[in-house]
Amino acid sequence: DSGVTQTPKHLITATGQRVTLRCSPRSGDLSVYWYQQSLDQGLQFLIQYYNGEERAKGNILERFSAQQFPDLHSELNLSSLELGDSALYFCASSVESYPGNTIYFGEGSWLTVV
Amino acid sequence: TQLLEQSPQFLSIQEGENLTVYCNSSSVFSSLQWYRQEPGEGPVLLVTVVTGGEVKKLKRLTFQFGDARKDSSLHITAAQPGDTGLYLCAEDDKIIFGKGTRLHILP
Repeated sequence: DSGVTQTPKHLITATGQRVTLRCSPRSGDLSVYWYQQSLDQGLQFLIQYYNGEERAKGNILERFSAQQFPDLHSELNLSSLELGDSALYFCASSVESYPGNTIYFGEGSWLTVV
Repeated sequence: TQLLEQSPQFLSIQEGENLTVYCNSSSVFSSLQWYRQEPGEGPVLLVTVVTGGEVKKLKRLTFQFGDARKDSSLHITAAQPGDTGLYLCAEDDKIIFGKGTRLHILP
C-alpha cells in the first residue's frame, strides 16, 4: 500500500459524458502528479501540482482539467469523453517537487468509455 | 522531444535465467529512475541512478547508468516468477517514461 488513494477504482461511462477522478496523496505529501496509461501510449504525464499550484503540464487535452485543493487532495476532470479516453489513470504523490525525488503511485482508476 | 526507448518490449524467459533490459535516450539526464509495475497496481520505484557510470544493486537486480548519462540498463540474475511485471524507466522529472519492458518469468 503506497498510501495514495484513488477513487473510483473502476468507472464505465458513455461518450460525451463527464467524470471526476479523485486522489488523496500520502500524508504530508505536497506534490501530486496525474498520468494516463494505455497499452499503445504507455504512461503519459498529464499534470503536476505542488501545494495547490500547477507546477508542470504535459500533453493534457483541453477537455481535461485538474486542481489541487487546500487539503492537498486532487481531482482530475475529464469531459466530452471519447472512446480513446479509455485508459488507466494514475495519481502519484511526493513530499517535494525536485528532480530525482521519490514519487508514490496509487492503484489507478480504470476508465472505460463506451 | 526527449524520448526514452526501452528494449526489448517483451521478454519471456525461464526461471533461473539471466536477462538485461535497456533504457536509451539521445538526451542527457540528471538522473534516471526504474520502476516495476505489477498487474492492477501502480508503478513502484526500484532505484534512482544519478552519477554517470554508477552501478546500484538491489538483491538480484543490478542497475547501471551510462557514462554519458543517456542510457541505463537493468540486469536480473537468476530470474524468479516474482520478477514478472512491467519495468519502466523515467527521467528525473517523472514527466517522461519509457513504454516499458514487459517481463514474464516462466516457472
